[in-house]
Amino acid sequence: DQQVKQNSPSLSVQEGRISILNCDYTNSMFDYFLWYKKYPAEGPTFLISISSIKDKNEDGRFTVFLNKSAKHLSLHIVPSQPGDSAVYFCAASPIEGAQKLVFGQGTRLTINP
Amino acid sequence: KAGVTQTPRYLIKTRGQQVTLSCSPISGHRSVSWYQQTPGQGLQFLFEYFSETQRNKGNFPGRFSGRQFSNSRSEMNVSTLELGDSALYLCASSFTYKGQGWTQYFGPGTRLLVL
Repeated sequence: DQQVKQNSPSLSVQEGRISILNCDYTNSMFDYFLWYKKYPAEGPTFLISISSIKDKNEDGRFTVFLNKSAKHLSLHIVPSQPGDSAVYFCAASPIEGAQKLVFGQGTRLTINP
Repeated sequence: KAGVTQTPRYLIKTRGQQVTLSCSPISGHRSVSWYQQTPGQGLQFLFEYFSETQRNKGNFPGRFSGRQFSNSRSEMNVSTLELGDSALYLCASSFTYKGQGWTQYFGPGTRLLVL
């Protein structure tokens, strides 16, 4: 049972435009969400997180939106840069600080010049 | 501050053998978690250690085990290797949650190939 789903395996965006990556979850107990970026031959790198008490969190070019009623979150990257080309994972946990993260399958983002 | 390190980076084993992977967390981090990444299953949680004790466990068979030492370094062991154990094994460390901004920091992983 896939509790965290990233339904788009891949996404292609033109440089300078907005990239929107989506994530859905089924477990209503999830309360804290994270986005990671992963390059080949490297471990995932933390990008941004959001707690369920918020519906939006920003960090530079990255913004995460959370819609609890729809059990949906999205990551917006504006403007998209070539270095953003990577696989993006969303992850969820029941509380902030809980060590057992549940990951989605990942979305491969390609930024085209 | 040095990041999470994992050794070895690559490993080739044959079915039936056992393997031990090592992870050194970021200095000051006491929690170490292990994940398995495969193309079909994505990233799946194996177990977490804190202060030398296993605190959380995922849904993996008993062939997968781990331990943590007093310096927070951790090892995971897989016995009686199967072809399906071929994967990228990732270690992550984290600090004790103190209010906000918590995350896990991942190492580069150990790529295991079972022939």
